[in-house]
Amino acid sequence: GQQLNQSPQSMFIQEGEDVSMNCTSSSIFNTWLWYKQDPGEGPVLLIALYKAGELTSNGRLTAQFGITRKDSFLNISASIPSDVGIYFCAGQLVQGAQKLVFGQGTRLTINP
Amino acid sequence: NAGVTQTPKFQVLKTGQSMTLQCAQDMNHEYMSWYRQDPGMGLRLIHYSVGAGITDQGEVPNGYNVSRSTTEDFPLRLLSAAPSQTSVYFCASSWDFNSPLHFGNGTRLTVT
Repeated sequence: GQQLNQSPQSMFIQEGEDVSMNCTSSSIFNTWLWYKQDPGEGPVLLIALYKAGELTSNGRLTAQFGITRKDSFLNISASIPSDVGIYFCAGQLVQGAQKLVFGQGTRLTINP
Repeated sequence: NAGVTQTPKFQVLKTGQSMTLQCAQDMNHEYMSWYRQDPGMGLRLIHYSVGAGITDQGEVPNGYNVSRSTTEDFPLRLLSAAPSQTSVYFCASSWDFNSPLHFGNGTRLTVT
């Protein structure tokens, strides 16, 4: 099946640091989405990107839809303890019906 | 507004047993889907439905059945549980296949 390569797999940072993670694929996507999952809960949508080159912010979060439509990144500025969790990228392929493909996730741990 | 509700939250089955994972949404969403989440593999699509009476297979459909008799409900059936089906299962819904998904809080299934 289609794959999204998400990196890094895990991050250990100090509170207040900035965070950057990305997803790449060999396939072209119509949509890129970024989700966050807290323990014991389902993923929650953070940012949705619909156009190549689009740069969107949501508070301290910024995400971009790559120009080639094969990649996306998510940045978190000035991290706080509640940013802890697993972050997933997801992409909707150009072809076919709803085939939302997920990355493997980035587990973020913050040391206070 | 309950959103997407999954039951049960936890379930233990013996190999060969059958069961149904329930999913209901109260947002009048047309699109519903089931994912399984395994460590290091992100979320993988099992089955999806674009509306009542219409279902289709995702990436990993073997061993699972679905039906969509109403807009609100999308149950997932395991006909003969196997240890390989030990996983966390998430139901998700959206207005249509172009809209971001809203996830339930998951069902953690263990098959012994």
